[in-house]
Amino acid sequence: ELKVEQNPLFLSMQEGKNYTIYCNYSTTSDRLYWYRQDPGKSLESLFVLLSNGAVKQEGRLMASLDTKARLSTLHITAAVHDLSATYFCAPGGSNYKLTFGKGTLLTVNP
Amino acid sequence: DVKVTQSSRYLVKRTGEKVFLECVQDMDHENMFWYRQDPGLGLRLIYFSYDVKMKEKGDIPEGYSVSREKKERFSLILESASTNQTSMYLCASSPGLAAINLIQYFGAGTRLSVL
Repeated sequence: ELKVEQNPLFLSMQEGKNYTIYCNYSTTSDRLYWYRQDPGKSLESLFVLLSNGAVKQEGRLMASLDTKARLSTLHITAAVHDLSATYFCAPGGSNYKLTFGKGTLLTVNP
Repeated sequence: DVKVTQSSRYLVKRTGEKVFLECVQDMDHENMFWYRQDPGLGLRLIYFSYDVKMKEKGDIPEGYSVSREKKERFSLILESASTNQTSMYLCASSPGLAAINLIQYFGAGTRLSVL
């Protein structure tokens, strides 16, 4: 059974600072997804990482995947208030299913 | 753009009622999913379907059933609603294995309260 651990679960940052969210998973996975959820809203796909060493960047967010270490990171550069949301990682299994982490609630303060 | 539409944003039901949650997608996706989301627990998969009339149990299927009679529609059924089924329910769809990335696209969610 695939288990997913996200750290930290709660993150309060100041605007302009950098930080990293970590996603560890327990068994081999050939792809990993990052989603964002705003309060009261549904999940929005941010990144799809499909191979070892994959790196994707969008604005102030950069995601990477190390399949050998079973680790993905979501790095936030120079945080702004608009990035406040809950971020989920989800490694894919051998079929269509995704297993979601518990999410990281990010709050960016002025 | 992919659109996944859930029929209700909010529902209030009574204990013991039979509840239907409906989900429709417009992208001809093979796969559809039902999750529930609870604070501190993240998303947990209830059931998924990879083809019409095909279904597989997810991690927490007890107390739920599903129906997929048409490719675009996937229904979640609570046979006899209980208070511990009060939750946010999210529907998602994704393309089949022939697709490169298998991204799941989510609906807006249905917040169900069982009294």
